[in-house]
Parts: sequence; structure tokens; C-alpha cells
Amino acid sequence: GNSVTQMEGPVTLSEEAFLTINCTYTATGYPSLFWYVQYPGEGLQLLLKATKADDKGSNKGFEATYRKETTSFHLEKGSVQVSDSAVYFCALSSTSGTYKYIFGTGTRLKVLA
Amino acid sequence: SQTIHQWPATLVQPVGSPLSLECTVEGTSNPNLYWYRQAAGRGLQLLFYSVGIGQISSEVPQNLSASRPQDRQFILSSKKLLLSDSGFYLCAWSRSRTGYGSPLHFGNGTRLTVT
Repeated sequence: GNSVTQMEGPVTLSEEAFLTINCTYTATGYPSLFWYVQYPGEGLQLLLKATKADDKGSNKGFEATYRKETTSFHLEKGSVQVSDSAVYFCALSSTSGTYKYIFGTGTRLKVLA
Repeated sequence: SQTIHQWPATLVQPVGSPLSLECTVEGTSNPNLYWYRQAAGRGLQLLFYSVGIGQISSEVPQNLSASRPQDRQFILSSKKLLLSDSGFYLCAWSRSRTGYGSPLHFGNGTRLTVT
């Protein structure tokens, strides 16, 4: 079945450091891929998405590229800020018509000033 | 624009009491609707999803149930809460055709503590 695997957290970085959070997936067909962010006590917010191979999603300085050859969708940001501290979730939606979204377990990011 | 409302924001209930959480979506029609639960420090567990009025799919057998009495209303219920039902409950919606880049949109969640 479909699955999403994220790197274990927490990830602790200093302000202005480079961020990478790894995400790989297993799915049949051509799923759509998403990154969500969750701030403490809140719901999940869509950060970016990509719907086909080699698509790059980007938002608020974050980027992720849909790599079908490596089944990956790694999240990157060139210079993190304290305000980026949150939990990040990678997710996919299947094209098989099952209406399900599969989430990774989440990666907590803590950015220190 | 579309909005999703979920209430209450927090709830403290004794073991054995009933539960009713409500979620409504505005600004779209015939959405797919979802209930997720997030245990403390954990990932998301899909509980129920619905592709239309009265159509409910259950992902995890438990003492919870869901209903969709109207197109844009989704209710999560329990007749008798267990301690293990404590968690953060999230309602979400998507456009009715997934697999075409349509993302999930989440409400702000309900923090349920069963004592």
C-alpha cells in the first residue's frame, strides 16, 4: 500500500542555517505530494505541493521537488528563522480514487536564536 | 473563499460520557470530509472520511462514530468515552476529486481530554 516515510526529529538548527527534511514515499501511479506545517495548538496548514514528476513546490522560502526516480520530496529552506519552529508533515494523495491522504509521522523543527 | 469551522476548541469530559464534535465547511459544495486524531507528539491517524451525505468510511474500529447529516457538516460522536480517546481531533476537507493536486484543508482542531 501507499506510505510516507519522514526523517526522525527533532531537528535543531541555529537561525539562518540551511534546512533539509527528508521525505520518501511508496505509491502506485503518480500521487500528488504535499508538505504541511503545524504550529503548537493549531491545525495543519498547507505549505506547498507538487502534482507531477520534476515539479517544484515553493512557499515562504521553502521548496521541495517531486523526484519520481528516487520517490522523494525533500523539504528545504536556505535560511531558517525562529518563527519556522513547528512540526512538518509530508503527505501524498493517491490517484487510485480512494480519497485517502497518507501522512508521514512528522518532523519537529526547533530553530534557536 | 472556503473556510472550515470546528468546535469546541477544547473539551474535558469524564470517562463514560458522550461526545459530539462538529465541523462545517463554507464556500464549497460536495466536499470530501475527514476526521483525524493526533495523539500527543504523534502523527495523524485517519478515523473517518465521507464522500457524500450519509456515506461514511471507517478506518479504525473503535468506540467512535461519524455522521454527515448535511453536505457540509461532519460530526464525530461517541456514546461512552474512554481514556484512550484523549487527543487532538482534526476535521479536514478536500475537493471531491483527489489525485489531481487537491490538498486537504484542516480546521483548528479540538483538544479532548478524557479524565
